[in-house]
Amino acid sequence: AQSVTQLDSHVSVSEGTPVLLRCNYSSSYSPSLFWYVQHPNKGLQLLLKYTSAATLVKGINGFEAEFKKSETSFHLTKPSAHMSDAAEYFCVVSETGGFKTIFGAGTRLFVKA
Amino acid sequence: EADIYQTPRYLVIGTGKKITLECSQTMGHDKMYWYQQDPGMELHLIHYSYGVNSTEKGDLSSESTVSRIRTEHFPLTLESARPSHTSQYLCASSEGRHNEQFFGPGTRLTVL
Repeated sequence: AQSVTQLDSHVSVSEGTPVLLRCNYSSSYSPSLFWYVQHPNKGLQLLLKYTSAATLVKGINGFEAEFKKSETSFHLTKPSAHMSDAAEYFCVVSETGGFKTIFGAGTRLFVKA
Repeated sequence: EADIYQTPRYLVIGTGKKITLECSQTMGHDKMYWYQQDPGMELHLIHYSYGVNSTEKGDLSSESTVSRIRTEHFPLTLESARPSHTSQYLCASSEGRHNEQFFGPGTRLTVL
């Protein structure tokens, strides 16, 4: 069985400070992991993905995530937050080679000026 | 340019009307999905398709129906809309073994 838990429903940071959005997962299979971002009234945009290659994954807009199998985590980070980063972020786990895809409940990121 | 489209983007209708939400993708993906999302909430899978003439119900029970007659087209229909159907509907497609999904911009439906 698969599940994904986003540990924070809301995160607030000041502009220019680091961002950390936490995600833990469980999977009976070799997982593929994704982070998506959703701005208000928009669809979801892929930020980055882990598909069993390098464990440190770099994405768009300066975001990166590290796959840690021993901790079953896939936390999203960014060194310096920008106002435009304010959005909803979803962690997603998918069964590699299968069909099942599970979305986390989302973390809303607030960025203060 | 490969993309995924949804129309209309916004729809306000009265109770009892029949509506169809359109979704088309130009990427040639076999797998397509419909999700329902209330404001600020998580996504719930309501329908999916492995390919032409294949449709399945998702995790969240829905009174809507879907069809997949062509690879690129995956419309969702509500025979009789009710206020409880008010929500955002997101369409997505994917290909390959990792199931990376590409999303449309969504349709925000309001039923009065």
